[in-house]
Amino acid sequence: ILNVEQSPQSLHVQEGDSTNFTCSFPSSNFYALHWYRWETAKSPEALFVMTLNGDEKKKGRISATLNTKEGYSYLYIKGSQPEDSATYLCAPRGPGGYQKVTFGTGTKLQVIP
Amino acid sequence: DAGVTQSPTHLIKTRGQQVTLRCSPKSGHDTVSWYQQALGQGPQFIFQYYEEEERQRGNFPDRFSGHQFPNYSSELNVNALLLGDSALYLCASRRWSTADGYTFGSGTRLTVV
Repeated sequence: ILNVEQSPQSLHVQEGDSTNFTCSFPSSNFYALHWYRWETAKSPEALFVMTLNGDEKKKGRISATLNTKEGYSYLYIKGSQPEDSATYLCAPRGPGGYQKVTFGTGTKLQVIP
Repeated sequence: DAGVTQSPTHLIKTRGQQVTLRCSPKSGHDTVSWYQQALGQGPQFIFQYYEEEERQRGNFPDRFSGHQFPNYSSELNVNALLLGDSALYLCASRRWSTADGYTFGSGTRLTVV
């Protein structure tokens, strides 16, 4: 069982500000880490799948890094926009098809126009 | 290409009753997992199905049971409903043998009164 912590739990930023948040997980038995964005009244949407130590992924203004040795991943949003308002979930996964994906409680981001 | 579809979208049940929730996975996906999300929490893993068998289970009582059909669709059954079972139930699908993330359905909002 992977214990996942995300911080902060919630965040309010002004439009145009850049922001980042953290996902911490046990570094043993790691296989992949998934980031999801969950907007109100919608389904969680996959953002990134990260597998290798040092991985960096980017999608528009959103990017993520992964450190499997120390067990953390950062998600960065550059120039936040109101449409970025959502809960961001991280989910590390162990190896093999059997391993369940364990979700953190998420970071709820509110971008103020 | 249809994503994950869940039915019904909303449901109100009385304590002690039984409920069945349904999920059709995304085309090409063979693995279905069910999650319960209570207010203020991240999704909590209930169980995972692959090849019509329950492969993993979270910390949920036996009142929660499931099934996967040959077409990969799945059902979640909850017996003897409690008020605390009120939550959003999410179905998510993926391919068993890859590191790919989940595709989520929109969820079924269950209210137990």
